[in-house]
Amino acid sequence: GESVGLHLPTLSVQEGDNSIINCAYSNSASDYFIWYKQESGKGPQFIIDIRSNMDKRQGQRVTVLLNKTVKHLSLQIAATQPGDSAVYFCAENRNAGNMLTFGGGTRLMVKP
Amino acid sequence: DTGVSQDPRHKITKRGQNVTFRCDPISEHNRLYWYRQTLGQGPEFLTYFQNEAQLEKSRLLSDRFSAERPKGSFSTLEIQRTEQGDSAMYLCASSYPRVRGRGEKLFFGSGTQLSVL
Repeated sequence: GESVGLHLPTLSVQEGDNSIINCAYSNSASDYFIWYKQESGKGPQFIIDIRSNMDKRQGQRVTVLLNKTVKHLSLQIAATQPGDSAVYFCAENRNAGNMLTFGGGTRLMVKP
Repeated sequence: DTGVSQDPRHKITKRGQNVTFRCDPISEHNRLYWYRQTLGQGPEFLTYFQNEAQLEKSRLLSDRFSAERPKGSFSTLEIQRTEQGDSAMYLCASSYPRVRGRGEKLFFGSGTQLSVL
């Protein structure tokens, strides 16, 4: 059965284009952020993380940007592929706490 | 497979029954987390352990929910007297403890999908 919802915000992109997924967080005390990818029937899979003392971090085909002034996080995926189709969640962690708090998720659909 | 393992993958039960789920974390991780995920939502934190100690359980949804990690390795999550609103995906994650200057990267299992009829 489906483990992620059918009524999420959806981003539809053409294969090969770049994707940008956005996330707003609310807790100014959060100091660590993660992007997770979740495919149907699977648990969230780590993509990339960033600490609050950075504003940009790059991985393989992915870049995370952090704007602490407006409490905004984005995930950029270069040359999007069909295998990138999934739901993407941002998560934040406060220094004083040990739980990750997840945002609501964005569904990425890649058109061939 | 050395990832986080959860059992069963799917559980269908009748309202009022008790259910128990098992999680086996990555072997060298001493922190273990339980999350719940409902349709269209991100995972919601329930509780976590460091070794066998349950360090946070205030987020468990009611006193019908309990978790154990008796030997600091695998963990179980039990829901007593299940209700239809308990239907969700129950996710387990594990991690190394957070160190100064570094975040805590959680590795998730594939979850147990619970359906309460």
